[in-house]
Amino acid sequence: NAGVTQTPKFRVLKTGQSMTLLCAQDMNHEYMYWYRQDPGMGLRLIHYSVGEGTTAKGEVPDGYNVSRLKKQNFLLGLESAAPSQTSVYFCASSYPRGDSGQPQHFGDGTRLSIL
Amino acid sequence: AQKITQTQPGMFVQEKEAVTLDCTYDTSDPSYGLFWYKQPSSGEMIFLIYQGSYDQQNATEGRYSLNFQKARKSANLVISASQLGDSAMYFCAMREQAQAGTALIFGKGTTLSVSS
Repeated sequence: NAGVTQTPKFRVLKTGQSMTLLCAQDMNHEYMYWYRQDPGMGLRLIHYSVGEGTTAKGEVPDGYNVSRLKKQNFLLGLESAAPSQTSVYFCASSYPRGDSGQPQHFGDGTRLSIL
Repeated sequence: AQKITQTQPGMFVQEKEAVTLDCTYDTSDPSYGLFWYKQPSSGEMIFLIYQGSYDQQNATEGRYSLNFQKARKSANLVISASQLGDSAMYFCAMREQAQAGTALIFGKGTTLSVSS
């Protein structure tokens, strides 16, 4: 039972480098999300997708791009990494209804350091 | 204004004692869900319990219960008979049905430390 799988788990980048974080879910969920977690800040929404081929900005979208070419995958890209993007990144997926008992399912996170 | 407020940065409790973690929320959406997640030191997010805005009774899941006071907009997590394995960060979160994407809005979390 894989659920939500994130790759890689750890990565160190230099300022200005680019990279893509991959999220894959096997629960046939329509909605997918990328969050970042910083100390003392809780989790904040970067981008989300309500279906294949659609994406939208969340609370902190600057410096990131996303794509959802397949329903099961949601990619987060950093075009030119900055030290302020050092964080732990979580991907999540869920069914659409916010007032149902269906929780968002989270991946194990990607710890990203930008030097 | 914060939509989810957790006022206790840290809580300390002894094994077998009960502990309440506070959470207040702010929304004008009549349809919403409230969630608690546990994040142990290993980092993963573990779903604990859910309360819907239309639910008449407080949610319970094993040793976890949610004290839902709708008029006061509070959704406190109660852990009965604490165990050492309960030591973790706990997040309260809300999903609003009217919010595009129905993403979770998180509080800043409460660190729970359980001692023997």
